[in-house]
Amino acid sequence: GAVVSQHPSWVICKSGTSVKIECRSLDFQATTMFWYRQFPKQSLMLMATSNEGSKATYEQGVEKDKFLINHASLTLSTLTVTSAHPEDSSFYICSASREGRNSPLHFGNGTRLTVT
Amino acid sequence: GENVEQHPSTLSVQEGDSAVIKCTYSDSASNYFPWYKQELGKGPQLIIDIRSNVGEKKDQRIAVTLNKTAKHFSLHITETQPEDSAVYFCAAVDQTGANNLFFGTGTRLTVIP
Repeated sequence: GAVVSQHPSWVICKSGTSVKIECRSLDFQATTMFWYRQFPKQSLMLMATSNEGSKATYEQGVEKDKFLINHASLTLSTLTVTSAHPEDSSFYICSASREGRNSPLHFGNGTRLTVT
Repeated sequence: GENVEQHPSTLSVQEGDSAVIKCTYSDSASNYFPWYKQELGKGPQLIIDIRSNVGEKKDQRIAVTLNKTAKHFSLHITETQPEDSAVYFCAAVDQTGANNLFFGTGTRLTVIP
C-alpha cells in the first residue's frame, strides 16, 4: 500500500491566493522529504529538500519565499505556494524514504495545481 | 552534479514482446539506481532498483542490468501487457546529497494489444 500520502490531489485557486499541500509519511518517520515539480510530458524537477526541524534546502532557481516549506514533524511536510500565478500551475509531488540515504524513495500521488 | 540521460523517449511494442529502456549517468560515485513507473495523473511508483555492487536484478517480468564501467543501466520488461503502458523514469542517486534523485527524461511505453 501507499507509504506516502499527499493532499489534496488537485486544487484550483485564483491568482494571488496561497495554496498549501501536505505530504505525510505513513507508518514511518522521515527526517527528510523531497518536493518535486513536474510539467506535462516532462521529468520530475527537484525543488527542495525538506528537513525536519530546520530550514529547507532549495535548488537553484527555486524561490524560497514563493514556495514555503515547513517540516514541523517527522511525518509531515507542507509546501505552500504563495501568491500563486498561472505559471505556478503544475503537478507537485513529494517523496520520502523509510531508511534514508541510498534507499528507495516513495512518492505521493501528486497534487495538480491550477491557478486561474 | 549527476546527469542522467534516458532513451528512447517513446517506445511502442506489441503485447507479449519485450521492451528495453536504457539510461546513462555521469557521476561514477553514484551507487543506487531505481526505476519508476508513472501512470497518468499519479506519482511515480518504484518498480525495481539496483545497487552498484550487483550487475543484474530480476523481479518476475522486470529486470535491470548495470554496467558500472560504462556507466549505463537498462530496464527490461518481458512479455509486455497493456497495463505496462506508462511513463518510465530511471534515476541515479547523487552522492553529495541526502538522498537526492536525479531523474532521466522518461520513456513513454505503449503496449499495443
